[in-house]
Amino acid sequence: EPEVTQTPSHQVTQMGQEVILRCVPISNHLYFYWYRQILGQKVEFLVSFYNNEISEKSEIFDDQFSVERPDGSNFTLKIRSTKLEDSAMYFCASRTDTEAFFGQGTRLTVV
Amino acid sequence: AQSVTQPDIHITVSEGASLELRCNYSYGATPYLFWYVQSPGQGLQLLLKYFSGDTLVQGIKGFEAEFKRSQSSFNLRKPSVHWSDAAEYFCALSLVTASKLTFGTGTRLQVTL
Repeated sequence: EPEVTQTPSHQVTQMGQEVILRCVPISNHLYFYWYRQILGQKVEFLVSFYNNEISEKSEIFDDQFSVERPDGSNFTLKIRSTKLEDSAMYFCASRTDTEAFFGQGTRLTVV
Repeated sequence: AQSVTQPDIHITVSEGASLELRCNYSYGATPYLFWYVQSPGQGLQLLLKYFSGDTLVQGIKGFEAEFKRSQSSFNLRKPSVHWSDAAEYFCALSLVTASKLTFGTGTRLQVTL
């Protein structure tokens, strides 16, 4: 069964460092998303990506964040200068018209 | 703006007992509704979805949910819970197909043997 793959599963980084979270969506899907879940809180939408551009972004997705689909298979989320409050589980999702498929998540810990 | 409310943060049921997890939404029209399950350390798995038509929808793992427009609710049910159902359950909506999901805060289900 096709699945969304995220790497790494866990990343620890120092405050102020740049991190790149990687995702391989399901190959024939056209819509891609990043969500995050701060520990103990709900899953929050960050950004959606369609046709090689951002289609929607939330207030959380400020200038520190960027997304890219560099090679037609990977979908990355970059955080330029991490803050302590960026510590969270980050989920990538890709979807058809009717269903979103989520990856296992990357747990980002900023110290 | 649309929102999803899951009033129960934590529910404990005995194995074999029935289960109902509540979900209410706020939106001016009927959204697309979903239930996801998250086991510890895992991603989000879709249990079931409602787009239109029959208001009682069947999902995987023996779960079902009923859409009630008059109550703006989409409650998840299971007639007999198994210990492996212990997880966090999220209700979510989207406004149109392929749009972002808005999640509730989740309900953590504990199953006692």
